[in-house]
Amino acid sequence: DAMVIQNPRYQVTQFGKPVTLSCSQTLNHNVMYWYQQKSSQAPKLLFHYYDKDFNNEADTPDNFQSRRPNTSFCFLDIRSPGLGDAAMYLCATSRDHVWGGTDTQYFGPGTRLTVL
Amino acid sequence: GESVGLHLPTLSVQEGDNSIINCAYSNSASDYFIWYKQESGKGPQFIIDIRSNMDKRQGQRVTVLLNKTVKHLSLQIAATQPGDSAVYFCAGPMVGAQKLVFGQGTRLTINP
Repeated sequence: DAMVIQNPRYQVTQFGKPVTLSCSQTLNHNVMYWYQQKSSQAPKLLFHYYDKDFNNEADTPDNFQSRRPNTSFCFLDIRSPGLGDAAMYLCATSRDHVWGGTDTQYFGPGTRLTVL
Repeated sequence: GESVGLHLPTLSVQEGDNSIINCAYSNSASDYFIWYKQESGKGPQFIIDIRSNMDKRQGQRVTVLLNKTVKHLSLQIAATQPGDSAVYFCAGPMVGAQKLVFGQGTRLTINP
């Protein structure tokens, strides 16, 4: 089945130690998104790629970076994780921008990040 | 500001009953809405979507109703089952910005 895959599902890191989360998709979608979701809250968009074009949300901290080396893969890099960065990180994809109203956004299972 | 919001943070129903989860939005130009189901520890799962040229859309055991006059949409789940226990989010595009706006979520609990 075509899907959005995230690895690892659980990640533990130390305060200040860089960490990378990965996402891959077999849907051949143009758009890949990274969201942060904290407990009992809605997902919050960090940034997205349309193909190779990177779009950062204005309130996303510089501590968060992303790479998309090819259509299938997208990475979230947290350069110096703080305790407040502990959250579920969700990758999502859509064929075209979901806000265009023509294509749905599909989420991966998420990576739960713990910062010690 | 533009918003999409759910009316109740929690909803408890008896197994076998129908569930209705409500959502309101503020921008009349919003033209596309999605309902997601998120089980504990998992990513949001697409349930159903609806575009503004429709008033109603049905899926398997689910129906979404869109009332553009009062800027309200609802998700109806027929014959609620234990597996329906989850947090349900409505979401819609933020007009003029490249993002989806999510409601706060409604936690649906099924009583046996």
